[in-house]
Amino acid sequence: EAGVVQSPRYKIIEKKQPVAFWCNPISGHNTLYWYLQNLGQGPELLIRYENEEAVDDSQLPKDRFSAERLKGVDSTLKIQPAELGDSAVYLCASSLRENTEAFFGQGTRLTVV
Amino acid sequence: AQKVTQAQTEISVVEKEDVTLDCVYETRDTTYYLFWYKQPPSGELVFLIRRNSFDEQNEISGRYSWNFQKSTSSFNFTITASQVVDSAVYFCALSNNNAGNMLTFGGGTRLMVKP
Repeated sequence: EAGVVQSPRYKIIEKKQPVAFWCNPISGHNTLYWYLQNLGQGPELLIRYENEEAVDDSQLPKDRFSAERLKGVDSTLKIQPAELGDSAVYLCASSLRENTEAFFGQGTRLTVV
Repeated sequence: AQKVTQAQTEISVVEKEDVTLDCVYETRDTTYYLFWYKQPPSGELVFLIRRNSFDEQNEISGRYSWNFQKSTSSFNFTITASQVVDSAVYFCALSNNNAGNMLTFGGGTRLMVKP
């Protein structure tokens, strides 16, 4: 069974440019998460989807970040415009339902220069 | 509010030694779930175990074992006879209904197993 797939693996952009990350969760998983992981720290939740509905986006900086999960499957996370402090690893995860184990993708390492 | 603390930021052991990674959590919920994840250098978080708050039985899986003690709010992870391939960052995490079922991670413990 394929795991959570994220692309790209690495992205380098100049500040003020837009960037988008894509995630394909495990088939049949209703819950999808986007996490942010800074160097040397644990992941922090940005947004959680139950099917196509964003049920927890309280940690998402809405002035520059946006996300969508069309048809309750794939998801895209966008930053516009990117700032130097956005440099981090962006992790996507999915789970069968809430409070079950989440399976993570390999992440997208973003560097803003 | 919920919180997970992993006091050990880095541990170094020699191969075949046993090692215990500590995890202490805080939550006001009576129903919650505890997790351990492994993050090797490749970056992907690998699920290891999930326990719910009503199941305090310790668990053993091969060289891995977990000790859940509600009295001390701890969920410690022991690797027996460590191997070089165990080198990674290990994260303890907590979720519960009142926190929107989001995973709250600890800061992680970097384990280095030397040959």
